[in-house]
Amino acid sequence: KQEVTQIPAALSVPEGENLVLNCSFTDSAIYNLQWFRQDPGKGLTSLLLIQSSQREQTSGRLNASLDKSSGRSTLYIAASQPGDSATYLCARDRGSTLGRLYFGRGTQLTVWP
Amino acid sequence: GAVVSQHPSWVICKSGTSVKIECRSLDFQATTMFWYRQFPKQSLMLMATSNEGSKATYEQGVEKDKFLINHASLTLSTLTVTSAHPEDSSFYICSASRPGSNTGELFFGEGSRLTVL
Repeated sequence: KQEVTQIPAALSVPEGENLVLNCSFTDSAIYNLQWFRQDPGKGLTSLLLIQSSQREQTSGRLNASLDKSSGRSTLYIAASQPGDSATYLCARDRGSTLGRLYFGRGTQLTVWP
Repeated sequence: GAVVSQHPSWVICKSGTSVKIECRSLDFQATTMFWYRQFPKQSLMLMATSNEGSKATYEQGVEKDKFLINHASLTLSTLTVTSAHPEDSSFYICSASRPGSNTGELFFGEGSRLTVL
């Protein structure tokens, strides 16, 4: 079973802090890894996608890294804001069929003013 | 970004009835869509891969006769929960990837919350 584990399960921080969200997965033979954001009762918004040939991706205040050998990915959020409050999900592919993903349970982030 | 729309956003039904959920890609044609289910405090679990013009591919443990998937056009996939029971109450989310994309980036719908009484 291809498990995806996210740590911590929940995180509450004051505005302005730099954050690190962790994701680990079994089986280093992945094609890609994605980070999503999910607001309560809503669907998912894709944040960053890292292909297996890449080591990191950046978008604005977000940076995601991928270390296939250790089976880990990290999402960095710089200068956190209350609007960043959401659940962050990490997902890896299930094989060569793109779009079939294994998800972690997510990290629930609360950023307070 | 691409837009994927789901309908209804939420539905309440009686046990034993069937419920249909629609998933539409609004600005691109999706030959493949994916259906996920999410129970409270749990991760999203892939249920099936919906292929336009052919039968869906179901993941292990998902009953194909209970969760009927139809992908009759390039912009619409439907999931029908047949003879729904309270244990089917969940958040159902569909997703699609752009044709020609080799990255696997997915676009998700807003989800449909099903409550079976």
